[in-house]
Amino acid sequence: AQSVTQLGSHVSVSEGALVLLRCNYSSSVPPYLFWYVQYPNQGLQLLLKYTSAATLVKGINGFEAEFKKSETSFHLTKPSAHMSDAAEYFCAVSERLSNTGKLIFGQGTTLQVKP
Amino acid sequence: EPEVTQTPSHQVTQMGQEVILRCVPISNHLYFYWYRQILGQKVEFLVSFYNNEISEKSEIFDDQFSVERPDGSNFTLKIRSTKLEDSAMYFCASSSRTGPFDEQYFGPGTRLTVT
Repeated sequence: AQSVTQLGSHVSVSEGALVLLRCNYSSSVPPYLFWYVQYPNQGLQLLLKYTSAATLVKGINGFEAEFKKSETSFHLTKPSAHMSDAAEYFCAVSERLSNTGKLIFGQGTTLQVKP
Repeated sequence: EPEVTQTPSHQVTQMGQEVILRCVPISNHLYFYWYRQILGQKVEFLVSFYNNEISEKSEIFDDQFSVERPDGSNFTLKIRSTKLEDSAMYFCASSSRTGPFDEQYFGPGTRLTVT
C-alpha cells in the first residue's frame, strides 16, 4: 500500500533562510506527488504537483520540489523564507492507476518563520 | 475564483446523535471527496463519489457513514450515530479530473466535536 512520510512535524527557520521540508513515499511505481499548504482556518491549497514530466517542479509562492526516484523522495524547498510562509504543509500521493484519484497524505509539517 | 465551501465551520454534538456535514463543490466538477483529520494525525481519505455513486471508500467509512448529492450543488456527509472518536476536522474536496492528476480543491473544513 502507498504511504507517505514527512520527516519533522515542526520546522523552524529564520526569515530569509532556506526552507527544506522532507517527503518520502513508498510505492513500487512512482505515483503522482503533490504538496499542499494550509493556512490557519483555510482549506488545503495546492502548491505544486509532479506528474512525470520534469523532475524539478516549480509551484506558487516561490516553492519548488524535486522528484528523486532513487531516493523515493519529493522534498519541498524555497530559497528564502518569508513570514507569510508560516503554515502547515502536506505531502500527498495519488496512485497512477487509481480510478478515483484519492490522495494519501503525510503527517504534515508545521513551518515556523522567525523574524 | 471558484471555491469549495463547507458548513458549518464547527459542529458540536452529543454521542449517538446524527450529524450532517455540508459541502458545495465547484460547479463544473464531477468528482467529490471527503477526508478527515483527527487532531495530531494525518489527513485520511474517507470516500470518493462520482456519477451519483460511491467510487471508492476507505475502511473508516463504515455503515455509520453515508454520502449524498441531494441536488445539483450540495454534497453531504452523514454520520448516523456519532462516537467520540469521530471528533475530527472533515474536509470536502472536488475535482474536474479531466486528466488523471488534476488538482483536488479543498474546502476550509468542518470541525466536528463529539461530547
